Amino acid sequence: DAGVIQSPRHEVTEMGQEVTLRCKPISGHDYLFWYRQTMMRGLELLIYFNNNVPIDDSGMPEDRFSAKMPNASFSTLKIQPSEPRDSAVYFCASNLPGQRNTIYFGEGSWLTVV
Amino acid sequence: AQKITQTQPGMFVQEKEAVTLDCTYDTSDPSYGLFWYKQPSSGEMIFLIYQGSYDQQNATEGRYSLNFQKARKSANLVISASQLGDSAMYFCAMREGLFPMDTGRRALTFGSGTRLQVQP
Repeated sequence: DAGVIQSPRHEVTEMGQEVTLRCKPISGHDYLFWYRQTMMRGLELLIYFNNNVPIDDSGMPEDRFSAKMPNASFSTLKIQPSEPRDSAVYFCASNLPGQRNTIYFGEGSWLTVV
Repeated sequence: AQKITQTQPGMFVQEKEAVTLDCTYDTSDPSYGLFWYKQPSSGEMIFLIYQGSYDQQNATEGRYSLNFQKARKSANLVISASQLGDSAMYFCAMREGLFPMDTGRRALTFGSGTRLQVQP
């Protein structure tokens, strides 16, 4: 079975540019999470969705960040405009209802803003 | 207050020996789950093991076992017979509000991690 798929794996962009990160959850999973990992702050939850509806976006750092889930198989995380402090690894993860003990992560998108 | 505390930034272990990675947690919710993930240098997050707060027995998955001490609020990971491939960052995480009805607090809260290095 395919796992959580994220793209791009690596991105280098200039400050001020728009960045779009993409995620395809595992088929049938109804929860989708976006996490950010930095050396300073560790792993932080940004936002999560249930059945395509955002449930908790309190971790989204500011208005420059937005996330959408237009359907059950696709989500995007956008940063506009990007800043150097946004450089991090962004992980997407998904979870199947009834399997409370399993949350599977994608391989991450490594973002560098210069 | 920190919900998940991993007090060992780094650990060394000899190949073939066992190692314990510490994790303590803080919650007032009676129903929660505890997770361990491995993050090798390649960066992916690999799920290792899960322990539910109402589980009577300690979880085991191959060479991984979770030493769950509920009264002490600790959930230490034990890796037996360490291998060179076990060298990685290890994260403890918690998820609250799982039983009897999922309250929707489905997100994981992570600790700061422990970097394990297995020496030949």
